[in-house]
Amino acid sequence: DSGVTQTPKHLITATGQRVTLRCSPRSGDLSVYWYQQSLDQGLQFLIQYYNGEERAKGNILERFSAQQFPDLHSELNLSSLELGDSALYFCASSVGSLNTGELFFGEGSRLTVL
Amino acid sequence: GQQVMQIPQYQHVQEGEDFTTYCNSSTTLSNIQWYKQRPGGHPVFLIQLVKSGEVKKQKRLTFQFGEAKKNSSLHITATQTTDVGTYFCAGNQNTDKLIFGTGTRLQVFP
Repeated sequence: DSGVTQTPKHLITATGQRVTLRCSPRSGDLSVYWYQQSLDQGLQFLIQYYNGEERAKGNILERFSAQQFPDLHSELNLSSLELGDSALYFCASSVGSLNTGELFFGEGSRLTVL
Repeated sequence: GQQVMQIPQYQHVQEGEDFTTYCNSSTTLSNIQWYKQRPGGHPVFLIQLVKSGEVKKQKRLTFQFGEAKKNSSLHITATQTTDVGTYFCAGNQNTDKLIFGTGTRLQVFP
């Protein structure tokens, strides 16, 4: 158990819909990262937050947005969903903000868009 | 932008054989990390290398960071079925982005 909690574990929805994925970091971790992993693919960096502020952005689509709340949990919002958005979405957390330490990953949220 | 490639993409070995995966970055890295993802699981941190030419060992696993800090390798001696999974390197270019490599999927046959 990494200490990072992601909900929901599985989500099935239709094209055009909007979903919200939730992540609670490990206790004491200030940074939250979101990664997308499509079937049998690598991990694509989406976005990182540190203590409530956006710190780094990857190849995140404009239809996607995220935020980190004062209690440090984070949400990833995916809108106008397309078939290609089907993937495993991982949240990870770390203590600091400069990627100098290990990331602790949650078990992921598997999104299926039909 | 920063790209991190790994070879090979897949590797099938007989139990007891050695295995090596190579990681190459298009840019110089401040540090590199390695993760293992078991089938159906999430990535789990293995190690971090920071210094040029650094070599670290964890039991049967040997990790190297290149002199130019643009490449790295993971070598497993005498593979076991428990080594099955996808191995990812992840590089940091002194920013807040940790870019993962394309991964090497290892299959070990008993």
